[in-house]
Amino acid sequence: DTGVSQNPRHKITKRGQNVTFRCDPISEHNRLYWYRQTLGQGPEFLTYFQNEAQLEKSRLLSDRFSAERPKGSFSTLEIQRTEQGDSAMYLCASSLGDPQYFGPGTRLTVL
Amino acid sequence: KQEVTQIPAALSVPEGENLVLNCSFTDSAIYNLQWFRQDPGKGLTSLLLIQSSQREQTSGRLNASLDKSSGRSTLYIAASQPGDSATYLCAVIWGAQKLVFGQGTRLTINP
Repeated sequence: DTGVSQNPRHKITKRGQNVTFRCDPISEHNRLYWYRQTLGQGPEFLTYFQNEAQLEKSRLLSDRFSAERPKGSFSTLEIQRTEQGDSAMYLCASSLGDPQYFGPGTRLTVL
Repeated sequence: KQEVTQIPAALSVPEGENLVLNCSFTDSAIYNLQWFRQDPGKGLTSLLLIQSSQREQTSGRLNASLDKSSGRSTLYIAASQPGDSATYLCAVIWGAQKLVFGQGTRLTINP
């Protein structure tokens, strides 16, 4: 399968712990996006990379959130000091332009 | 503020019917519009992408139209099947690279 992959698929953590998610885009795609989706809502944009450069960050991305794409390939999203409100599906997408192709998501549950 | 709205939030129809899902957006200066399908607990599958210069796109039983002047798009599904049951999401790109999503329409096709 050469689509977008995300790991882990599910993560349960206790409030206050740090978590890290990984996204592997489609191999030739230079653009990578992170979105967050809460139950019953559409996804909301978090951040966007072109190659290794982080070009845009949403105000949703508080200082507890950090994203990297060190070599312009895979990306990581870290959440520090998790809160119950961080419980959501975290979606990654990649593209060469349009359209964007989404991965299966990582579902985070904060207890 | 650039927003996307989908009404209704849920729709239930008998198998075999043709149906239309609606999407409206607040700013007509869009770059493109994309329709997605999401199965419960899963990621997003891209169905159709319409560039701002296009009026419609077709794929199999699906047809998406775009009317920028009225700020509306519709997704037409012909001869609906139980396998079409899912949440359908409309998303717009206005110029930045991020997709802005509606809340989705949860579609149920009854056998």
